[in-house]
Amino acid sequence: AQSVTQLDSQVPVFEEAPVELRCNYSSSVSVYLFWYVQYPNQGLQLLLKYLSGSTLVKGINGFEAEFNKSQTSFHLRKPSVHISDTAEYFCAVTSGTYKYIFGTGTRLKVLA
Amino acid sequence: NAGVTQTPKFRILKIGQSMTLQCAQDMNHNYMYWYRQDPGMGLKLIYYSVGAGITDKGEVPNGYNVSRSTTEDFPLRLELAAPSQTSVYFCASSYGPGEGTIYFGEGSWLTVV
Repeated sequence: AQSVTQLDSQVPVFEEAPVELRCNYSSSVSVYLFWYVQYPNQGLQLLLKYLSGSTLVKGINGFEAEFNKSQTSFHLRKPSVHISDTAEYFCAVTSGTYKYIFGTGTRLKVLA
Repeated sequence: NAGVTQTPKFRILKIGQSMTLQCAQDMNHNYMYWYRQDPGMGLKLIYYSVGAGITDKGEVPNGYNVSRSTTEDFPLRLELAAPSQTSVYFCASSYGPGEGTIYFGEGSWLTVV
């Protein structure tokens, strides 16, 4: 069985500071990994995904994530956040079937 | 390009009433899904479909039914609404296994009173 753990339910950070949102997964097979962002009262939008190849993945809005197979992690980073990055972020994993497992989300609050 | 469209956006139901949440996608995706999102709980899969005429249960199917008569449409029916069904519901679609990306609708906020 697969699982996803987002260790931080809330992350406050000041504007222009760097941020890292943590995601760990468990799986007995190869996986695809995703980060989605959800703005208030909206659906989830894809930020970035790892399918194969380079372990450093760049996404939209200046976000990037690094796949670390030995540590079973897929942490999301941004070097300098903006107020507009305030949202909830979800990590997700799939082994390539219909089944996607989502983490419980991390609420990023960017402070002025 | 509309993507995944859900209606209604907001609805209040009384206990015991029934309703249908509509979902349509225009990306010719084979796979479609219904999730519910409760605070602090992430997304839970209710039902999914791998193509027209084929549906199957997810993690939390009790109290819901679906149908998939066309590739585009995947309505979710709530029978005999209960307060435990108060949630945000998301319809989603994907091309199929392997490529990976799921595309979500805007969500439907349902309150059962």
